[in-house]
Amino acid sequence: AQTVTQSQPEMSVQEAETVTLSCTYDTSESDYYLFWYKQPPSRQMILVIRQEAYKQQNATENRFSVNFQKAAKSFSLKISDSQLGDAAMYFCAYRRGGSRLTFGEGTQLTVNP
Amino acid sequence: NAGVMQNPRHLVRRRGQEARLRCSPMKGHSHVYWYRQLPEEGLKFMVYLQKENIIDESGMPKERFSAEFPKEGPSILRIQQVVRGDSAAYFCASSPVAGQVGSPLHFGNGTRLTVT
Repeated sequence: AQTVTQSQPEMSVQEAETVTLSCTYDTSESDYYLFWYKQPPSRQMILVIRQEAYKQQNATENRFSVNFQKAAKSFSLKISDSQLGDAAMYFCAYRRGGSRLTFGEGTQLTVNP
Repeated sequence: NAGVMQNPRHLVRRRGQEARLRCSPMKGHSHVYWYRQLPEEGLKFMVYLQKENIIDESGMPKERFSAEFPKEGPSILRIQQVVRGDSAAYFCASSPVAGQVGSPLHFGNGTRLTVT
């Protein structure tokens, strides 16, 4: 069974600084998809970024980028120029094909002014 | 708003009562997933449905919980004889047809169930 591990329950960053959230996963498959979701206090689950395992190029969405290391089964999220609105719980997730998403336990990010 | 719609937003039930949570997927989406989030925890998969079919219910508790996605109308997650341990946020997500492999799931705002 696939598992997703986020080893940092909490992280903090100063406004305008850069922070990296870690995620590792376990799978025997070669073709799959990885995601980062953000959950602010409103509880809404918001897609941040998506990575296809067959693509070597790391995905980027504005201030958000990933470091995807397929051999190491690592998928970290880097947030540049952190803003107060980035404060949220961040979940790493794995999906193979059309099946369900498997989530990690989350990392609570605090942004200090 | 063409997003995933869940209602009610909050639901309070006494122990032993039934809870019914409803989810309307995004327009054009035919796959629905239900997740449960306990306080301070991540989202745990419960069940995956297509219209009139349960595809994967490996995350559903064996007793008291059931889900359906009829041909017409929303998907329903039903919890019979609720207990305090059922208190959680329940999220519904939808995705397009299976052909769009790897597409992200789109989530509703969740239903927070409180059992008193």
